[in-house]
Amino acid sequence: KAGVTQTPRYLIKTRGQQVTLSCSPISGHRSVSWYQQTPGQGLQFLFEYFSETQRNKGNFPGRFSGRQFSNSRSEMNVSTLELGDSALYLCASSLEFGKNEQFFGPGTRLTVL
Amino acid sequence: QQQVKQSPQSLIVQKGGISIINCAYENTAFDYFPWYQQFPGKGPALLIAIRPDVSEKKEGRFTISFNKSAKQFSLHIMDSQPGDSATYFCAASMMGSQGNLIFGKGTKLSVKP
Repeated sequence: KAGVTQTPRYLIKTRGQQVTLSCSPISGHRSVSWYQQTPGQGLQFLFEYFSETQRNKGNFPGRFSGRQFSNSRSEMNVSTLELGDSALYLCASSLEFGKNEQFFGPGTRLTVL
Repeated sequence: QQQVKQSPQSLIVQKGGISIINCAYENTAFDYFPWYQQFPGKGPALLIAIRPDVSEKKEGRFTISFNKSAKQFSLHIMDSQPGDSATYFCAASMMGSQGNLIFGKGTKLSVKP
């Protein structure tokens, strides 16, 4: 079974631009969570989606948003990029909402110049 | 507020030795405690996980010890191998928010041959 896939793997943007990252969960998995990983702050939870609805949200500004489609694929969007948004963005999938085991994708490395 | 504290930040162990990484948590509502292993350029991979009704769980060379009264849990890697060299993260989540993993800051393990 294929793992979690994320596209693109690498992205370079400039301040003020916006970006959309994509995540395809493991086949059959219906819940998707997003995390930001930086050297300073570590791994931080952004949000969780299930049945096309945001179920939980982390402590990030409104510039960070996401959505989930009927096939469980998810996208996250960051608007008005700041230098501090440079990070590895990780998507994790789990079988159902409320199931603990999360499986991570390889991440998208975003660099903001 | 860091809810999961992990130590040490880095660890050097000789091949064949035991690697021990410790985590402490504050929120007694946490009910799921996984450990993840991350290699450079990869997403975190789920290693082993435990719930607070169990004091120890073993999978191959990896063992989680859990002390509910002390609000601490640890990862033991027996017979450490150079291939175990990676960054290890402990995490915790709570009922109703399972998709929101709260991570420790990570431990960089180096196993010397």
